[in-house]
Amino acid sequence: GAVVSQHPSRVICKSGTSVKIECRSLDFQATTMFWYRQFPKQSLMLMATSNEGSKATYEQGVEKDKFLINHASLTLSTLTVTSAHPEDSSFYICSASPHSGQGAEETQYFGPGTRLLVL
Amino acid sequence: AQTVTQSQPEMSVQEAETVTLSCTYDTSESNYYLFWYKQPPSRQMILVIRQEAYKQQNATENRFSVNFQKAAKSFSLKISDSQLGDTAMYFCAFMNPTGANSKLTFGKGITLSVRP
Repeated sequence: GAVVSQHPSRVICKSGTSVKIECRSLDFQATTMFWYRQFPKQSLMLMATSNEGSKATYEQGVEKDKFLINHASLTLSTLTVTSAHPEDSSFYICSASPHSGQGAEETQYFGPGTRLLVL
Repeated sequence: AQTVTQSQPEMSVQEAETVTLSCTYDTSESNYYLFWYKQPPSRQMILVIRQEAYKQQNATENRFSVNFQKAAKSFSLKISDSQLGDTAMYFCAFMNPTGANSKLTFGKGITLSVRP
């Protein structure tokens, strides 16, 4: 149980284009989903927290107009990198916490990550 | 604000031996959760073990166990009978489960290499 998927696993795009990354909880409902960014050999940096049906909460320094987050259902959140530039190249990871009442809601389960390369 | 410190950037252990990864944290909260996550070369984050602060008993999961010292704010991970598949980056994480959003605070991580 507690499986989170991400799609795509890797994407290469041209500078100026937008890229959408999907995060799905496959066997549980996720009230809250989180989006992280990770550089090689470094820790995860939280970008934003999204709750189903409401606006995402962004961490300080993260541009909300550049990183659009939509949490339209209890099993799906999307991150759209708008007008991507080479400095946006990174590894993006999502995580999800189970909906209250299903147990272990304090635990985050992670997707496999998406490697983004902007040329 | 909470902080998590993993002071050792790298460790190495011989296969079948035991290794302990250290982690300390700082918080003024009394109710919280602590986690160890493993990130192998595939970069998939995998939950290794979790500890509720209100539980005095140390959590164990097969070859993985923790030494949770609440007063000292220490949360070390012991890996017994190390296997080659344990080679990974390990992250210690803290969560204060208040409000609707329970964010994780991660340490910098430690790279563990298991030698054959």
